[in-house]
Amino acid sequence: EDKVVQSPLSLVVHEGDTVTLNCSYEVTNFRSLLWYKQEKKAPTFLFMLTSSGIEKKSGRLSSILDKKELFSILNITATQTGDSAVYLCAVDNSGNTPLVFGKGTRLSVIA
Amino acid sequence: DAGITQSPRYKITETGRQVTLMCHQTWSHSYMFWYRQDLGHGLRLIYYSAAADITDKGEVPDGYVVSRSKTENFPLTLESATRSQTSVYFCASGEGYFGPGTRLTVT
Repeated sequence: EDKVVQSPLSLVVHEGDTVTLNCSYEVTNFRSLLWYKQEKKAPTFLFMLTSSGIEKKSGRLSSILDKKELFSILNITATQTGDSAVYLCAVDNSGNTPLVFGKGTRLSVIA
Repeated sequence: DAGITQSPRYKITETGRQVTLMCHQTWSHSYMFWYRQDLGHGLRLIYYSAAADITDKGEVPDGYVVSRSKTENFPLTLESATRSQTSVYFCASGEGYFGPGTRLTVT
């Protein structure tokens, strides 16, 4: 059975801290891994990763994929209260089936 | 505007009523999906569609019906709403583009 596991499930940090969110997966026909940020509305797309070892960056956020060890990390540096959200990881399994979602990591950044 | 739209954005209905949630996309993506999101369960797939007139069950299809007569529309119907179907419903298309969601409350 395809599955995506995120850790930790929740995390509380102080502003300015750096955090690392983890996503491991087991799917039969991997095509890509996606990260989303979800506040009190629909998930918003952050990154799509298809190749191992190539870091994707967007401001203070970055992500990398390891297709050998079957995981990805999402890093957020110099966290701000606006980074508080649930971060979702999803895997596209060959493109012919729906995305497989993890349960998310709830990040709370306190001032 | 391009993208995915859902309607209504908020809905309150009574147990036993039929409710249809609408989803429309402007990109002509082949794939469309319906998810529900509840505390403690994350996003769970209800139904999905690979193309017009092709639909398939997801993880939690019971109590729901879908149709896809046109590529751009993918309505989700609750034939006889139950309190357990109180949730936030997200439609998505393509490689994970989400609509804004519909918050449904069944009383």
